[in-house]
Amino acid sequence: QQQVKQSPQSLIVQKGGISIINCAYENTAFDYFPWYQQFPGKGPALLIAIRPDVSEKKEGRFTISFNKSAKQFSLHIMDSQPGDSATYFCAAGGATNKLIFGTGTLLAVQP
Amino acid sequence: DAGVTQSPTHLIKTRGQHVTLRCSPISGHKSVSWYQQVLGQGPQFIFQYYEKEERGRGNFPDRFSARQFPNYSSELNVNALLLGDSALYLCASSSQTRANTGELFFGEGSRLTVL
Repeated sequence: QQQVKQSPQSLIVQKGGISIINCAYENTAFDYFPWYQQFPGKGPALLIAIRPDVSEKKEGRFTISFNKSAKQFSLHIMDSQPGDSATYFCAAGGATNKLIFGTGTLLAVQP
Repeated sequence: DAGVTQSPTHLIKTRGQHVTLRCSPISGHKSVSWYQQVLGQGPQFIFQYYEKEERGRGNFPDRFSARQFPNYSSELNVNALLLGDSALYLCASSSQTRANTGELFFGEGSRLTVL
């Protein structure tokens, strides 16, 4: 019940294309779903987050879509750029003190 | 303002040794959490400390311990190192105890290699 499943493991997208990463969770106690971006040699940095009372949140080129009934959420990166090449982690949290992370998606945006 | 700072950035130890990792949170943050990130995996929760008290512990053996000091900095200690302890150890800082407040900031980590 504590798992967050993330796919795909890796993704190659052409510059200007749309990158889509999917996550699924089981624990209905989760009420906070952030996405983190991690560059090599750096710690994860919060990119965008959503709560279950909305189905979509957009910040610039980054959009989270949330499906509460299916217990799934996804990250869409529009107009993907080479600078977006990084590892992306979805996560889930609740009123406890820890985030549960997915296994990560390595995104490569080709120029 | 300085972010979360961790030291050392890299270290190499041999099996059976002990290691101490250090973390300074963002100024004003009273909560420090430790996560272990094995290569190719997502971070896994080890501990949370808030106001010098342990508030949470993940599924890690007793060889792992931590503490928080009056200035809110923190140390993670690992005894009797195993090869499987090789990982990036991340410290995260927050002004809150709950993970759903959206205020978790990570440092760049300490890369531990156990030979």
